[in-house]
Amino acid sequence: DVKVTQSSRYLVKRTGEKVFLECVQDMDHENMFWYRQDPGLGLRLIYFSYDVKMKEKGDIPEGYSVSREKKERFSLILESASTNQTSMYLCASSPITGGTQPQHFGDGTRLSIL
Amino acid sequence: AQSVTQLGSHVSVSEGALVLLRCNYSSSVPPYLFWYVQYPNQGLQLLLKYTSAATLVKGINGFEAEFKKSETSFHLTKPSAHMSDAAEYFCAVRYGNNRLAFGKGNQVVVIP
Repeated sequence: DVKVTQSSRYLVKRTGEKVFLECVQDMDHENMFWYRQDPGLGLRLIYFSYDVKMKEKGDIPEGYSVSREKKERFSLILESASTNQTSMYLCASSPITGGTQPQHFGDGTRLSIL
Repeated sequence: AQSVTQLGSHVSVSEGALVLLRCNYSSSVPPYLFWYVQYPNQGLQLLLKYTSAATLVKGINGFEAEFKKSETSFHLTKPSAHMSDAAEYFCAVRYGNNRLAFGKGNQVVVIP
């Protein structure tokens, strides 16, 4: 089975801090994704990476950046955390071939910015 | 642009009754469609996917979904609800370079 591991289940940070969320997958998938999940809004794509050092903006990239230095690892960075970034963050991965391949999700990081 | 509509953020169903969750999509190309389930404090787990091989798709835990092109729908059903079905359910359509557009989700509550 595909395993997508997010480094923290719960995280509490302060306004203005630089925050790193880490995600690792063990299936050699080319694609990796970061989503934000808020009640009543579903999942919204923040950033997407289709290869090492390659990235594309999603629907809500403002206030975030990403890093992919190795194929298995995809990091989400909050450059200067703000309270409106309090949310659940989900990482996912998928192979690059074919539209029928589902995305596989980690268990999420619940981030609180105080 | 691709989009997904799921009506009714909260759905209550009695144990043993039919579960019906509606999903309508917009897509400019033949769609790839997915249903995911999220149990409390967990990530999303794939329930089933539509790949154009068959219009009626069977998934895990007794769920199935029917693709209707004329109605642009992919509704999810389960004949008899179980307490363990209490979760949030998301419909999604693929677009672009393997991206997914998600609906806003349905929170299912099962009443004993």
